Amino acid sequence: DQQVKQNSPSLSVQEGRISILNCDYTNSMFDYFLWYKKYPAEGPTFLISISSIKDKNEDGRFTVFLNKSAKHLSLHIVPSQPGDSAVYFCAASARRGSTLGRLYFGRGTQLTVWP
Amino acid sequence: GAVVSQHPSWVICKSGTSVKIECRSLDFQATTMFWYRQFPKQSLMLMATSNEGSKATYEQGVEKDKFLINHASLTLSTLTVTSAHPEDSSFYICSASESWNYGYTFGSGTRLTVV
Repeated sequence: DQQVKQNSPSLSVQEGRISILNCDYTNSMFDYFLWYKKYPAEGPTFLISISSIKDKNEDGRFTVFLNKSAKHLSLHIVPSQPGDSAVYFCAASARRGSTLGRLYFGRGTQLTVWP
Repeated sequence: GAVVSQHPSWVICKSGTSVKIECRSLDFQATTMFWYRQFPKQSLMLMATSNEGSKATYEQGVEKDKFLINHASLTLSTLTVTSAHPEDSSFYICSASESWNYGYTFGSGTRLTVV
């Protein structure tokens, strides 16, 4: 049972434009969400996260939006650059006090940014 | 930032042999480490949670006698694939967390090919 879903396996965007990657989740216990970027044959790299007490978190060109009522989050990359081309994984967790529980991952979205 | 070192990055072994993969937290102590497996174009599937000084917790469907996990110290966890078969060929990744607000740091992964 996939508790975190990324329904778009791929996204192609022109350089300089906005990339929007979407993620949906089903478990209402999730209260912490993360985005990871992954290149082939490498481990995922942490990008940005958001707690359920917020609806937006911004870090440079990356912004994550959280809509708890819809159980939906999105990652915006503005402006997109060719170096952003990678697979992006959405992950969710249910924290236990100060401990981050196990992560549940979506299947990933392959982002391609073309010049 | 936190660094997780994983070795080897790739390994080819003969069917029936065993392979050990190491995961080290270089600049922090990790009481918990996670082992994932990724098939091509698939999500990261959690195999087991490795707890320092105690037995690992395996996810449903993962054979604990085949995938031996040892977490002997706060900076080292090992995954041994015993009696490897071609179907065990996959990309294995470990992760650990320094603190919850940093999310999880992933190793660079190990590409295992069983011939």
